[in-house]
Amino acid sequence: GAVVSQHPSRVICKSGTSVKIECRSLDFQATTMFWYRQFPKQSLMLMATSNEGSKATYEQGVEKDKFLINHASLTLSTLTVTSAHPEDSSFYICSARGSSGASYEQYFGPGTRLTVT
Amino acid sequence: GEDVEQSLFLSVREGDSSVINCTYTDSSSTYLYWYKQEPGAGLQLLTYIFSNMDMKQDQRLTVLLNKKDKHLSLRIADTQTGDSAIYFCAEKERGGGNKLTFGTGTQLKVEL
Repeated sequence: GAVVSQHPSRVICKSGTSVKIECRSLDFQATTMFWYRQFPKQSLMLMATSNEGSKATYEQGVEKDKFLINHASLTLSTLTVTSAHPEDSSFYICSARGSSGASYEQYFGPGTRLTVT
Repeated sequence: GEDVEQSLFLSVREGDSSVINCTYTDSSSTYLYWYKQEPGAGLQLLTYIFSNMDMKQDQRLTVLLNKKDKHLSLRIADTQTGDSAIYFCAEKERGGGNKLTFGTGTQLKVEL
């Protein structure tokens, strides 16, 4: 099946610094990638949808200048948390949908645990 | 907006059947999904059902959809300790650009 990886799996950073999280589709081309965040014992909340080569579409309440998303190729999307604060600590999960896959399929990465101290 | 709700917790004995329920509000949903999340991990797609279907069975998993009541359920037969995880239902809107709305998640605990 289709595999999506994320890197790093876990990161700890100081308040005020920026952190970049990568999401890669390993064996398929992902025309659309999604970024979610999940707080402990809560559901996934969609942050933004990115299509290769175009600007990401952010959900209401998500600051686009704080969460920079780049989908520069069909296999890679990055999420950069700028000027991170402790309240940004969360589990970030990406998912990807292929250009030739069934419309119902989204493949999820294993997630990245971000802790801001 | 869309709202997808689940009960928070379910405990069953190993070998029994588990039934996890989900209610949703968007009647234009095209696909409904069940995902499994183990601790510290991403989501694994278990099964899905198209909105014009009432039931779908896949090995130990049975999905029932009541479109009139906007109710979705996942039955796991012969539940095993390895089934312990959080289960999320999710709906895909019609014309929503593949956006998924997730439920609140149900923690399934399987006891010996």
